[in-house]
Amino acid sequence: EPEVTQTPSHQVTQMGQEVILRCVPISNHLYFYWYRQILGQKVEFLVSFYNNEISEKSEIFDDQFSVERPDGSNFTLKIRSTKLEDSAMYFCASSDVDSNQPQHFGDGTRLSIL
Amino acid sequence: QKEVEQDPGPLSVPEGAIVSLNCTYSNSAFQYFMWYRQYSRKGPELLMYTYSSGNKEDGRFTAQVDKSSKYISLFIRDSQPSDSATYLCAPAAAGNKLTFGGGTRVLVKP
Repeated sequence: EPEVTQTPSHQVTQMGQEVILRCVPISNHLYFYWYRQILGQKVEFLVSFYNNEISEKSEIFDDQFSVERPDGSNFTLKIRSTKLEDSAMYFCASSDVDSNQPQHFGDGTRLSIL
Repeated sequence: QKEVEQDPGPLSVPEGAIVSLNCTYSNSAFQYFMWYRQYSRKGPELLMYTYSSGNKEDGRFTAQVDKSSKYISLFIRDSQPSDSATYLCAPAAAGNKLTFGGGTRVLVKP
């Protein structure tokens, strides 16, 4: 069964450093998402992306965050200057030909900011 | 009032029992209702997807949506120890982001 893959599984970064989280969505999917889950808390929406542009973003997704689809397969989340509170699991998701189809998630990247 | 609420549990049941999970929401714009299962340190895994009110069955899983009372349920029949996980309800408005509940932790004891 097709799946969303995310790399790395665990990223440790010093505060203030830039980090890029990578995702390969399911190949025929057109809608892409990033969510995060701080330890012990809910999964929270960050951003949705369609047709090479952001379609919606949350209050969490401030100027320190950016997303990109650099080629036909990858979807990345960049945090420019990491803070301690950015420590969380980051999940990528994708959905099929319309945004009302269910989203399928990867297993996440655990980001630890020191 | 939180947008999506679930009892955090844990809900402990013996193997073979029916697991009954519930979720309430406040946003009338929600039209699509998903249930995900999440194992520790893994991503949410889609279990059920329902549009609008009604019932949907898939194997041992049944999802019910009552939009009039903003109440969503998931039933797991013949529960197995491998069903031990956190269950997340995640409604969405049309073409929109998922709004997750906090999840209910389920323990199925052999």
